[in-house]
Amino acid sequence: SSELTQDPAVSVALGQTVRITCQGDSLRSYYATWYQQKPGQPPVLVFYGKNGRPSGIPDRFSGSSSGNTASLTITGAQAEDQADYYCNSRDSSGDHQLFGGGTKLTVL
Amino acid sequence: QVQLVQSGSELRKPGASVKVSCKTSGYSFTSYAMNWVRQAPGQGLEWMGWINTNTGNPTYAPGFTGRFVFSLDTSVSTAYLQISSLKVEDTAVYYCAKDGPSVVIPFDFWGQGTPVTVSS
Repeated sequence: SSELTQDPAVSVALGQTVRITCQGDSLRSYYATWYQQKPGQPPVLVFYGKNGRPSGIPDRFSGSSSGNTASLTITGAQAEDQADYYCNSRDSSGDHQLFGGGTKLTVL
Repeated sequence: QVQLVQSGSELRKPGASVKVSCKTSGYSFTSYAMNWVRQAPGQGLEWMGWINTNTGNPTYAPGFTGRFVFSLDTSVSTAYLQISSLKVEDTAVYYCAKDGPSVVIPFDFWGQGTPVTVSS
């Protein structure tokens, strides 16, 4: 398969924990990368590889992977975390990049 | 600091062409590949392909062959995306995004995006 599947929308209460998932066959071979995008802005890298968090990204963002599913977990979600989140990985051939359809996170 | 600054918004008629620029600074331009990503209105991100900034060799994603051309001017550390024979469905924001320092970091810095509107 050359697709990455995400839930279209997820909500979380302020301060609670939320997991955003991404499914795809290529995730058995390649790590997922996660991007946050707020309206009218370019995406921002928030998590990569096994345990990579870019400088400036809060440590409440973490990632994990099992089989064909990768997850981005936000522990103690804040209002400013409300955004669209996209997963990305290579396709199964390794030659091309894929994006998931995106998950709209609402912080209640 | 790393910066990718894209050219401004464009309005074109169907059948015309457009060229989007992505001027970089703050890093060695030829050390990292450049990617292009499309985002149609209200839609998700779509990888268009990448260009090897050392050799100039482009790779296009399926669906982005023929009318789409990636190019470089290394003398000014700038990447370009040209789209010819524009269609209404090409209306989107186009982003450039540089490769990161590792294969597990595909796009570590992004341009601000260039809105392209195709309308008669």
